[in-house]
Amino acid sequence: EPEVTQTPSHQVTQMGQEVILHCVPISNHLYFYWYRQILGQKVEFLVSFYNNEISEKSEIFDDQFSVERPDGSNFTLKIRSTKLEDSAMYFCASSDEGDTEAFFGQGTRLTVV
Amino acid sequence: AQSVTQLGSHVSVSEGALVLLRCNYSSSVPPYLFWYVQYPNQGLQLLLKYTSAATLVKGINGFEAEFKKSETSFHLTKPSAHMSDAAEYFCAVRRGSGNTGKLIFGQGTTLQVKP
Repeated sequence: EPEVTQTPSHQVTQMGQEVILHCVPISNHLYFYWYRQILGQKVEFLVSFYNNEISEKSEIFDDQFSVERPDGSNFTLKIRSTKLEDSAMYFCASSDEGDTEAFFGQGTRLTVV
Repeated sequence: AQSVTQLGSHVSVSEGALVLLRCNYSSSVPPYLFWYVQYPNQGLQLLLKYTSAATLVKGINGFEAEFKKSETSFHLTKPSAHMSDAAEYFCAVRRGSGNTGKLIFGQGTTLQVKP
């Protein structure tokens, strides 16, 4: 069964460092998403991406964040200068035209120290 | 605008007892509604979804939910709890038309199952 794959599963980085989280969406999907979940809190939408551009973003997704689809298979989330409060589980998701739900990856736990 | 409220951050039931996790939504357009489950240190797994067809939706692992427009609710139930049902459960809403769209999640409900 096709699945969304995220790497690494756990990333530790120092405050102020840049970090890139990697996702391989399901191969024929066209819509891509990033969500985050701060420990003990709800899952929050960050950004959606379609046709090689951002289609929607939340207020959390400020200038420190960017997304990219560098090739036909990867979808990355970059945080330019990490802050302690960026520590969270980051989920990638994807869906196809006409899909009613998005399919989530297992997540990357980002710890900023 | 859309929002989701899950009543009760923690629910504890005995094994074999009825599970009822409450979810109320707010949406200015016809919604699609979802329940996701998250086991410890794992990702989000779709339990079931409502997409404007049958109002009573059956999902995996014996769970079901009923969409009640008049009550703006989408409560999750399971007749008999199993120890393996212990997890975090999230209700989510998105607009029910157009592109897939972003999901708005509730705060989550932790289900504890006692032996």
